[in-house]
Amino acid sequence: GAVVSQHPSWVICKSGTSVKIECRSLDFQATTMFWYRQFPKQSLMLMATSNEGSKATYEQGVEKDKFLINHASLTLSTLTVTSAHPEDSSFYICSARGEGGPYEQYFGPGTRLTVT
Amino acid sequence: AQSVTQLDSHVSVSEGTPVLLRCNYSSSYSPSLFWYVQHPNKGLQLLLKYTSAATLVKGINGFEAEFKKSETSFHLTKPSAHMSDAAEYFCVVSENSSASKIIFGSGTRLSIRP
Repeated sequence: GAVVSQHPSWVICKSGTSVKIECRSLDFQATTMFWYRQFPKQSLMLMATSNEGSKATYEQGVEKDKFLINHASLTLSTLTVTSAHPEDSSFYICSARGEGGPYEQYFGPGTRLTVT
Repeated sequence: AQSVTQLDSHVSVSEGTPVLLRCNYSSSYSPSLFWYVQHPNKGLQLLLKYTSAATLVKGINGFEAEFKKSETSFHLTKPSAHMSDAAEYFCVVSENSSASKIIFGSGTRLSIRP
């Protein structure tokens, strides 16, 4: 099946710094990628949808200037958490969707971000 | 608009007994439905999916789910629980269009008693 990777799998950063998370589709071209955030013991919440070569569409309540998303190629999307704060600590999961039905999404393994 | 409701936030069963995790959905169009499992501090693993073919879907690890359009349900079942089944389970709905989002249920935590 289709494989999606994320890098890094976990990261610790200091408050005020920025951190970049990569999401790659390894064996298919992803026309659309999605970024989710998951707090402990909660469900996944969609943050934004990105299409290759265009600006990301953010969900209501998600700060686009804080969570920068770039989908530069059909196999790579990046999420940059700018000026991170402890409340940004979370599990970030990406997913990728190729062309054609049934429009299944393939999920990455997630990135655990801890901001100290 | 689409939505998904998982009726139980926590289910506890004894090892060797049946498992039932309930899910109801709402969709304006013909939906695709999925069940994912997430073990602690791990990513998501697809258990099974319904995409308008057979209404009874068999997945991995002995799980199966039945799509019932009249009841707008997609409940997940397993005949005999194993300790390794303890995890968080998410029911997910997606409408069959390239523009549709995938919507997660709130999750059901499955605990297995020895």
